[in-house]
Amino acid sequence: AQKITQTQPGMFVQEKEAVTLDCTYDTSDPSYGLFWYKQPSSGEMIFLIYQGSYDQQNATEGRYSLNFQKARKSANLVISASQLGDSAMYFCAMSSGAGSYQLTFGKGTKLSVIP
Amino acid sequence: NAGVMQNPRHLVRRRGQEARLRCSPMKGHSHVYWYRQLPEEGLKFMVYLQKENIIDESGMPKERFSAEFPKEGPSILRIQQVVRGDSAAYFCASSVLGGDHSPLHFGNGTRLTVT
Repeated sequence: AQKITQTQPGMFVQEKEAVTLDCTYDTSDPSYGLFWYKQPSSGEMIFLIYQGSYDQQNATEGRYSLNFQKARKSANLVISASQLGDSAMYFCAMSSGAGSYQLTFGKGTKLSVIP
Repeated sequence: NAGVMQNPRHLVRRRGQEARLRCSPMKGHSHVYWYRQLPEEGLKFMVYLQKENIIDESGMPKERFSAEFPKEGPSILRIQQVVRGDSAAYFCASSVLGGDHSPLHFGNGTRLTVT
């Protein structure tokens, strides 16, 4: 069975600082994908970044980077130079194995950026 | 290129009524996925459809819930005889291919409130 664990219910970060949101995963499949989504208070789910299990390099998208540590089964999201608009819920998700169209989501981390 | 379109954005139903949620996939996408988000939770997979076919409905309750994706027109998630526990946000996503760990891009969701 696949499982995603996000241990930080809430995080605070000062504007312009970097922040790391933790995510650990569990799967027995060698092929999987890891995703991060942002959900602002308006409710939509915004795709941020993707990492494939066979990718050699850590994924980066602008101010977002994914710190992928395969042996530790962790896929932490790093947001650099935080902005007020980054305040939102952040969800880590995984697809794996035969049901790779199914995303398994964590419970999320609420990030608050302080001016 | 329009993204995944869901309507209505908000839907209020009394207990016992029917709820119909619509999802128009991105142009050229023939795979549609429905997810449900309960309060304070991540999204949970409900059903995966291709045009005129249900591929996987393992996440959908056996009773009162049904989904379709006809040859023409949007995908419909139908909830009959709604109960308070059906109150949630329902998200739809679409993709060109299925099952290849491609990131899913979600619509803005439909927030169902059962009174």
